[in-house]
Amino acid sequence: DLVMTQSPLSLPVTLGQPASISCRSSQSLVHSDGNTYLNWFQQRPGQSPRRLIYKVSNRDSGVPDRFSGSGSGTDFTLKISRVEAEDVGIYYCMQNTHWPLTFGGGTKVEIK
Amino acid sequence: EVQLVESGGGLVQPGGSLRLSCAASGITVSINYMSWVRQAPGKGLEWVSLIYSGGSTHYADSVKGRFTISRDNSKNTLFLQMSSLRVEDTAVYYCVGASGYLYWGQGTLVTVSS
Repeated sequence: DLVMTQSPLSLPVTLGQPASISCRSSQSLVHSDGNTYLNWFQQRPGQSPRRLIYKVSNRDSGVPDRFSGSGSGTDFTLKISRVEAEDVGIYYCMQNTHWPLTFGGGTKVEIK
Repeated sequence: EVQLVESGGGLVQPGGSLRLSCAASGITVSINYMSWVRQAPGKGLEWVSLIYSGGSTHYADSVKGRFTISRDNSKNTLFLQMSSLRVEDTAVYYCVGASGYLYWGQGTLVTVSS
């Protein structure tokens, strides 16, 4: 199966400072239709996950513009331009280009 | 407002069976693709199964042959029939519906233990 590797595992960040999470796939996520199906999810403590980003860089409705996604092929990044207290949680990348669908292991964002 | 409400979780012995349900409102299970995603205690997310509007289904290797995803269009409900359950199937099971946006339920806990 395709493996999604996230780094770092834990990311302590100062409020107002930027944060960056890396996600690498073991094979290209470019679909035969030309799209790259790479998503980012946020899971706040005690809550269900919610999707932030789809197809690498498209923000879901209601997602603050301090969140941005970038990347191509096998290397992807989620950036938070200025971390706020409500951003604490675990972030997961997930690919839905290839079967079976697979998630990264998660990155825990916490406030220093 | 979209709501996905899972039910059917509980304690079951290894080798046993359980059927999870996901009652949907505000989203039609038959015309959108629906998934189950699970999360073992203190662990990350794992995709389990998906059913397309046309009825085709996909499964994670870890559950293939043991789990079956289905839906009842008249009740707008998604199901996950789980059999030959293993200790490692212990997790919160989330119902996920895709209609442009991705909607998640609150999850139902399945505990497989003797």
